[in-house]
Amino acid sequence: AQKITQTQPGMFVQEKEAVTLDCTYDTSDQSYGLFWYKQPSSGEMIFLIYQGSYDEQNATEGRYSLNFQKARKSANLVISASQLGDSAMYFCAMREDLIQGAQKLVFGQGTRLTINP
Amino acid sequence: DTGVSQDPRHKITKRGQNVTFRCDPISEHNRLYWYRQTLGQGPEFLTYFQNEAQLEKSRLLSDRFSAERPKGSFSTLEIQRTEQGDSAMYLCASSRDSYSPLHFGNGTRLTVT
Repeated sequence: AQKITQTQPGMFVQEKEAVTLDCTYDTSDQSYGLFWYKQPSSGEMIFLIYQGSYDEQNATEGRYSLNFQKARKSANLVISASQLGDSAMYFCAMREDLIQGAQKLVFGQGTRLTINP
Repeated sequence: DTGVSQDPRHKITKRGQNVTFRCDPISEHNRLYWYRQTLGQGPEFLTYFQNEAQLEKSRLLSDRFSAERPKGSFSTLEIQRTEQGDSAMYLCASSRDSYSPLHFGNGTRLTVT
């Protein structure tokens, strides 16, 4: 069963607009973590933002914020004031049980974001 | 913080050959991970080291794959008798502890012809 679902294969947004990338997850664990990563065409996975399941406040990092709705099992990424350099693949990922301390992240299929000038 | 470094960036090999990739994690990170990413998919977990100990392996890691981290610093991933299905991006990541975010390298793109 797929544990991370990103329903938007591609998104096109005008520069300076805000954009929301959707992510829903499925887990029976009480303790888990949710991550967003950006992957430009160079291939590197760049960590953007993290939300723990027990965190009461939505995570924010600069222009990135995570809209965490626990009851709906959603963890959408919001990018404010988009820039041309934001064009990339964006992956949502979840960390479940730590087995021997391993962070085995499960990734979604990604959303390709294109920012138009 | 120099980031996670992987070498080579690209590797083209013929089916049946052996290949080895190297990963140098961020220096103070004792957790090291290998992930594999095929075209159009998100990365999938392969294996995990805490210092020099390999503590977790995915079922994706067949017996043709072996990973080492001999001194708890850099790691190598070797694939023996490569198959076309091994073509993928191999990503290395490291973290300071079990709860800090994973920092990924640029990856090694393997093409098996």
